[in-house]
Amino acid sequence: GEDVEQSLFLSVREGDSSVINCTYTDSSSTYLYWYKQEPGAGLQLLTYIFSNMDMKQDQRLTVLLNKKDKHLSLRIADTQTGDSAIYFCAERRGNTPLVFGKGTRLSVIA
Amino acid sequence: DSGVTQTPKHLITATGQRVTLRCSPRSGDLSVYWYQQSLDQGLQFLIQYYNGEERAKGNILERFSAQQFPDLHSELNLSSLELGDSALYFCASSEQGAGTEAFFGQGTRLTVV
Repeated sequence: GEDVEQSLFLSVREGDSSVINCTYTDSSSTYLYWYKQEPGAGLQLLTYIFSNMDMKQDQRLTVLLNKKDKHLSLRIADTQTGDSAIYFCAERRGNTPLVFGKGTRLSVIA
Repeated sequence: DSGVTQTPKHLITATGQRVTLRCSPRSGDLSVYWYQQSLDQGLQFLIQYYNGEERAKGNILERFSAQQFPDLHSELNLSSLELGDSALYFCASSEQGAGTEAFFGQGTRLTVV
């Protein structure tokens, strides 16, 4: 399809791991990104992965990339209430601006 | 703080009016992108400028226009406003035409009444 797809909602308990999934569209996409948007705020770049990588880890965040299935995931370890936000997956196709998914709203239950 | 500054933060205006949104990119970034975020459409790319020239165009209405000035700040002009234009408008900047990282401003919330 044409769209970057994400599930709309995810709810986890504080201390558990969260896994947010994304399916992107273009197997030739060079970079794939995760952004976080807190209520009333702009988009904060969390991490990105180059398409020739399978995994990237940055503190509590782990990004996994499956190029064959065009599947990207973001794992947040030890999820905290401050992680409650909307998480956007985005892809860069060649030399074009980022294309975003509709976002996954993560709710963390204390 | 991403380093990208957008003004104003909030704007309320009537249908049929014209508004200008302003964006100052991060220091050194040549590329500016404008996005519209609405509840039903998600984040839609509108237009990109690179070093003063239009680089890419997305789903931008003819009633909307943008420009990037020699000091690299950008303005998005929205005219003949309709209720459906109410949304968050984001500006982002990156170093190059297709930089590895794009940094977003806090957005301008436009409400058309």
